[in-house]
Amino acid sequence: GESVGLHLPTLSVQEGDNSIINCAYSNSASDYFIWYKQESGKGPQFIIDIRSNMDKRQGQRVTVLLNKTVKHLSLQIAATQPGDSAVYFCAETLMKTSYDKVIFGPGTSLSVIP
Amino acid sequence: EAQVTQNPRYLITVTGKKLTVTCSQNMNHEYMSWYRQDPGLGLRQIYYSMNVEVTDKGDVPEGYKVSRKEKRNFPLILESPSPNQTSLYFCASSTGVNGGPGQFFGPGTRLTVL
Repeated sequence: GESVGLHLPTLSVQEGDNSIINCAYSNSASDYFIWYKQESGKGPQFIIDIRSNMDKRQGQRVTVLLNKTVKHLSLQIAATQPGDSAVYFCAETLMKTSYDKVIFGPGTSLSVIP
Repeated sequence: EAQVTQNPRYLITVTGKKLTVTCSQNMNHEYMSWYRQDPGLGLRQIYYSMNVEVTDKGDVPEGYKVSRKEKRNFPLILESPSPNQTSLYFCASSTGVNGGPGQFFGPGTRLTVL
C-alpha cells in the first residue's frame, strides 16, 4: 500500500490492550471534532465525532475525550485488534451555521502486535 | 451503495498540461471538499463547497480551481500543473450543518507531474 506519512508519531500496542491516541488541536474556536482512520492505500474513514459542548463520547470500542481548556483530544480504542492498525487523524472545524474549512492533525500510526 | 468516486485514480502528466480530476457523490450531500495528502504534511484542504455555486478556499488553494454546478459533482481543475502539485488527492462529502458522520472520502487520486 501507499505510505501516507513518513514522519508520523507511532504507537505500538499488544493485541487486546487498550490504545490511546492523542491530538492537540489548533483553534480554540473550533466546535466540532472528528477522528478518522486511514488504512494503507485507502481514503480516511470516519470513526467518531464530538461537539464542543461535550467532554466525552463513546462508540463501539472507541471513546473520544475532549479537553477544551488545553485544546486536546484523545481517542481510546478498547481491546485493540490487528485490524485497528492504521493511521489515525483528528480533525477540527468551526460549524457555526454551516461547515467551515477543516483542519487535520498530522496523524498517528498505530501498529498492533499480534 | 453510498460512495464518493474519483477519476482517474492514477495520473502522470507533464508541467503545464491542464487536467481535471472528477469527484461525484451519490448521497445528496451538500458539503464537498478536496484535500491533498503529502508525507510529513498530512491532509490539507484545498477547496470546499457548502452547496451548489458556493465554494471557498481551504488552506492550500493556489494553483487549483473548482466548480460546483451540480450537487453531486465537484471537479478539481489544475490549469497549469507544476511538479509541486504531485500528491495524493482526496475528495470528500458530508451532510453539512445538520451533522452526520463527518465526511465520506473517495479512494484517492495519485497525481504525478513531471
